[in-house]
Amino acid sequence: QVQLVESGGGVVQPGGSLRLSCATSGFAFTSYGFFWVRQAPGKGLEWVAYIRYDGSKKDYADSVKGRFTISRDNSKNTVYLQMNSLRAEDTAMYYCARPPCTDNICRFDYWGQGTLVTVSS
Amino acid sequence: DIQLTQSPSFLSASVGDRVTITCRASQGISISLAWYQQKPGKAPRLLIYAASTLQSGVPSRFSGSGSGTEFTLTISSLQPEDFATYYCQQLNSYPSSITFGQGTRLEIK
Repeated sequence: QVQLVESGGGVVQPGGSLRLSCATSGFAFTSYGFFWVRQAPGKGLEWVAYIRYDGSKKDYADSVKGRFTISRDNSKNTVYLQMNSLRAEDTAMYYCARPPCTDNICRFDYWGQGTLVTVSS
Repeated sequence: DIQLTQSPSFLSASVGDRVTITCRASQGISISLAWYQQKPGKAPRLLIYAASTLQSGVPSRFSGSGSGTEFTLTISSLQPEDFATYYCQQLNSYPSSITFGQGTRLEIK
């Protein structure tokens, strides 16, 4: 069955770095792009980053542009989010999600369970 | 960016009620809209995509409609497991600048 499992979250000081991983299984990894989506405590959902199925296109929300980098390792079926220069407002649960598109109709059909990032001194 | 506004933000209802949640987009997005359900401590779950297509495995009491700038999610007869927070999401600008509504919290009356 399709699985996405995030890891790498934790507590980090402002200005610090973390690398999140999203390990996947149960489907053809190289056929899909991926998103990272975050949710601050008690708040709504916010798109963070996107990577195309072949890694040739990446995009970021303005709030993280220049600080976060999304990447993928097709040999490990894993997507990463390198987070640098972390700020208190980056504190959130981070989810990876799979966005299949058919005939330009897209949706996020599978999500991981999330990994919690807390930025605090 | 396209803004999505959900109404109401909070809804109190009883088991068996019919409820409707509205999502309005700041500009036309055709049918590029999805609905998700989220329970506390869990990841969002896809319910509806392309405004009205029911995701596989989702009960038929859930339905979606709309196009352009106004969309609705309807639950025809609330069940105890339906009490959760619901989000709309626009994918018109996919893959960039995807946005979510602020959420509608559905609670038991």
